Amino acid sequence: DTAVSQTPKYLVTQMGNDKSIKCEQNLGHDTMYWYKQDSKKFLKIMFSYNNKELIINETVPNRFSPKSPDKAHLNLHINSLELGDSAVYFCASSQDFRQGAQPQHFGDGTRLSIL
Amino acid sequence: GQNIDQPTEMTATEGAIVQINCTYQTSGFNGLFWYQQHAGEAPTFLSYNVLDGLEEKGRFSSFLSRSKGYSYLLLKELQMKDSASYLCAVPDRGSTLGRLYFGRGTQLTVWP
Repeated sequence: DTAVSQTPKYLVTQMGNDKSIKCEQNLGHDTMYWYKQDSKKFLKIMFSYNNKELIINETVPNRFSPKSPDKAHLNLHINSLELGDSAVYFCASSQDFRQGAQPQHFGDGTRLSIL
Repeated sequence: GQNIDQPTEMTATEGAIVQINCTYQTSGFNGLFWYQQHAGEAPTFLSYNVLDGLEEKGRFSSFLSRSKGYSYLLLKELQMKDSASYLCAVPDRGSTLGRLYFGRGTQLTVWP
């Protein structure tokens, strides 16, 4: 009965490859997020979707493309992976923040390592 | 953006009390969150303060002073399992209220 689940947990791949990370939440939340946590543990938002609509798009390379088929799923596709993409990627969800700031619930993270 | 500052590391002993400070500078204030993150795990929500004062939740309390741009997380009766990184975060404003700006985290080590 995991609340926010993302797969895979570990992803080791070579530079130049394309990979996807999947995320699903069963909390009934309207809003989902992708974060990147670098080697210094700094957690930074990348994207946010509210009811399948993109609402936050930080300054990330366009090699990163999020997709939300429905409000319970938010996937992240990364093209032409680079060494600097090595990080932990966290998916999160929350109630609709248009009602006010909401606590976000995080998945366990995907540890991406680029060789 | 927002400017958030918290100490990088703190240490304490089991049973003690520790206070983790966070200062912030924001262009508009919509509350402040505290999260706990154990090594290799997901951040988990601890508290949210939007009004001045102290809010207690078991062994953990969180304080906010909006006029000073200051918050702290107070952990009492420390246990070994409290060793973790504690992240202070403030939301953006308006239509991007969901954007959370995190501090770099305070790594707390609890010694026996």
